[in-house]
Amino acid sequence: GAVVSQHPSRVICKSGTSVKIECRSLDFQATTMFWYRQFPKQSLMLMATSNEGSKATYEQGVEKDKFLINHASLTLSTLTVTSAHPEDSSFYICSARDLQLAYEQYFGPGTRLTVT
Amino acid sequence: QKEVEQNSGPLSVPEGAIASLNCTYSDRGSQSFFWYRQYSGKSPELIMSIYSNGDKEDGRFTAQLNKASQYVSLLIRDSQPSDSATYLCAVEFILTGGGNKLTFGTGTQLKVEL
Repeated sequence: GAVVSQHPSRVICKSGTSVKIECRSLDFQATTMFWYRQFPKQSLMLMATSNEGSKATYEQGVEKDKFLINHASLTLSTLTVTSAHPEDSSFYICSARDLQLAYEQYFGPGTRLTVT
Repeated sequence: QKEVEQNSGPLSVPEGAIASLNCTYSDRGSQSFFWYRQYSGKSPELIMSIYSNGDKEDGRFTAQLNKASQYVSLLIRDSQPSDSATYLCAVEFILTGGGNKLTFGTGTQLKVEL
């Protein structure tokens, strides 16, 4: 149980374009999903917390107009990187919290974004 | 500022030995603690959660929590080369404005040598 999927697993895009990443909880309902970014050899950095049906809460320093988050259902959240630039190249990982297991977060496999 | 601290390592242990990974945290009010394993290029995988003082065992893994000392550890018995990874300690902090937030340490790199 507690499986989270992400799509795509890897994406290469040109500078100035937008990329959408999907995060799905496959076998549980997730009231809260989280989006992280991880640069090589660095720790996870929380970007935003997404609650189903409400606006995402962004961490300090994360541009909400650049990183659009939508959490339309209990099993799906999306992150759109708008007008991507090479410095946005990173490993983006979502996680979800199970309603039944209130404190544990389960991570998706991650999306490696490369902006050329 | 809520902090979680880990020694970055690398921690090298021989195959079959016990690996001991340590973590301290800054907020005495924290109630939920987690250990994640992250292989290079992969996302974190939850391996243990612990909420009460004392030990919690799951297979070769034992998590230990001491809230008075604000200290949580992970022991891996009979270490295998496949255990070589970065281990992330995560602590749930209660936010002053309500809600909570999972904060990760920077991770300890474990190398299990043949």
